[in-house]
Order: sequence, then C-alpha cells, then structure tokens
Amino acid sequence: GQSLEQPSEVTAVEGAIVQINCTYQTSGFYGLSWYQQHDGGAPTFLSYNALDGLEETGRFSSFLSRSDSYGYLLLQELQMKDSASYFCAVRDGLTGGGNKLTFGTGTQLKVEL
Amino acid sequence: DTEVTQTPKHLVMGMTNKKSLKCEQHMGHRAMYWYKQKAKKPPELMFVYSYEKLSINESVPSRFSPECPNSSLLNLHLHALQPEDSALYLCASSPPLLGNYGYTFGSGTRLTVV
Repeated sequence: GQSLEQPSEVTAVEGAIVQINCTYQTSGFYGLSWYQQHDGGAPTFLSYNALDGLEETGRFSSFLSRSDSYGYLLLQELQMKDSASYFCAVRDGLTGGGNKLTFGTGTQLKVEL
Repeated sequence: DTEVTQTPKHLVMGMTNKKSLKCEQHMGHRAMYWYKQKAKKPPELMFVYSYEKLSINESVPSRFSPECPNSSLLNLHLHALQPEDSALYLCASSPPLLGNYGYTFGSGTRLTVV
C-alpha cells in the first residue's frame, strides 16, 4: 500500500529554521510535492522535486533523496503566518494527462514568539 | 484567472436529500480532481478527470457521483449520504503535462450530513 509518514507536530520560535521530514513508500514515484494548509483554508502548492537534491523558493527549500525514499521541507526565518499544516505528496500515478497525488499524514507547525 | 471556485462553501443536508457540489476553473487545466478531507487528516483522492473523462475512481461509494460537463466545470452529485460523509470536499485542477507544477485547490465545501 501507499505510505507517506511525517511528524505530527513541530513547534519553533519566530525567526528560527525548521525542517519537516517525509518518508514514503509508494507503488510509483514521479515526484514529491509540498503543500501548506491554514486552518479552514485550501492547500496551496509550495514546491516540487522530481530529481534528487535541493530546490529553493524564497524562505522555503525542499530536498529529495529517491534512493532513501525521503524528502524534507526547510522553512527559514519563520514567521507567525507560517503556522499551518504541511503535507508532503507523492505523484504516484499518471492517468493519460491526470496526475494522481497521494498526501502524507501532515505536520502541524506552530510558530511561537 | 488563477483560481478554482467551489460552491457552496457550506452545505447541510439530510440523509435523504440530493445535492450537488460545483467546481469551476478557467486556467485551461485539463485535469480535475475531487478530494475528501476529514479534520486533522490529509486530503484523500476520490476521483480524477482527465480531458473530461473519468480516469480514476478510488472505490468511492455510488452515493457520490461525479460529472464533468466541460473542461472548466466539475460537479459532485450527492445522494443518500451518511453522517460519516461529513467532511471538507476539495476540488483541484492541474495542467496535464509533466513538469514543476502543483495542483490548484479550491477553498472547499464543508459538508455536514444530519
């Protein structure tokens, strides 16, 4: 079966750096994405890694190691507005144009003063 | 327009009612999705439409019936739901081509079945 594991909760202080890990076990793999979801809101796309290595987008970076079935999201210069749930997601299927995403268990990030 | 619009935002329905959720996007995306999300849980895939054709049904009960009338619209018809079907229903769309992109999600319909 499909399995994407994340820590359930992470707490950090404003201005700090935090890393959210994701380990996956899926039948197919076409890339790892990260999404942010505030309470009551829609998931929003943050980053995507198809190949091994680090991708940087502003304060957010994402890393992938396909040989280890592992990735992480790194958030720098944390701000209060970063308090949200973060989901990793594996694109594990292609359907003639559609893309099947399976989401991880989710990590609740709390940023404190 | 870079949005996915879902209506209604909130819906309360009885177990014998029939209702529909609507989703609209004008980004030219040819793949559209329905996800179900329970509180404090990840979104779970229900259906995938690709070029207006149903390509994935994740063994969803027949009381949920999807429809894609055209490339911009996606509906989810609901009938004889159970209280455990109460959840946030999310619509999303994506480009069909491979590449560095993600889904664009709507804000969801919060459904309560009474």
